[in-house]
Amino acid sequence: EVQLVESGGGLVQPGGSLRLSCAASGFIFSSYDMHWVRQVRGKGLEWVSAIGTASDTFYSGSVKGRFTISRENAKNSLYLQMNNLRTGDTAVYYCARGWGNNWVDEWLDSWGQGILVTVSS
Amino acid sequence: SYELTQPPSVSVSPGQTASITCSGDKLGDKYPCWYQQKPGQSPVLLIYQNNKRPSGIPERFSGSNSGNTATLTISGTQAMDEADYYCQAWDSSTFVLFGGGTKLTVL
Repeated sequence: EVQLVESGGGLVQPGGSLRLSCAASGFIFSSYDMHWVRQVRGKGLEWVSAIGTASDTFYSGSVKGRFTISRENAKNSLYLQMNNLRTGDTAVYYCARGWGNNWVDEWLDSWGQGILVTVSS
Repeated sequence: SYELTQPPSVSVSPGQTASITCSGDKLGDKYPCWYQQKPGQSPVLLIYQNNKRPSGIPERFSGSNSGNTATLTISGTQAMDEADYYCQAWDSSTFVLFGGGTKLTVL
């Protein structure tokens, strides 16, 4: 059974940093793209970042330059280092497994339960 | 930058067919997928590569894509289908992109 478990969320002040982790199990982690998607309470889904099997990385415009996605295949783990956090980054952050043919038809077939990040003074 | 547009809400009577649209420039050239999200739960993949269903997804869910519009069709809608639905596609300028979401109400 595919499992994705996020951790590392919490309350942080504006300008602060936080590192999210996603522990994966039940599949060959190194063979899949991985994504972070966030959702402000009561709002829609917003894609944040993705990392491919070759560790190629992609970011949304709203986080580029502040967030860094990485993966550690030996530990079946995905990370999101979030720096210079803003109040607008407050959201539930989901880790998701992706698959596609060279990204163009990428889909996210398994999602974690989500972790809350609150940026507030 | 690329955008995907969905109607904020759609209503349907039980047993009827619900259609949720997703519009984007030349979306027919892309491979949109669809997700269902119920309150307090994580999203679930319903449709990928335009019209394929993952295992475990009921046959009443289907997808189509042509021109500038992709459509999620729910045949014989059930009360349990009341949820938020999101389309998603890949674009070279925005990478992964979600539509704004559609709230389906089963009256």
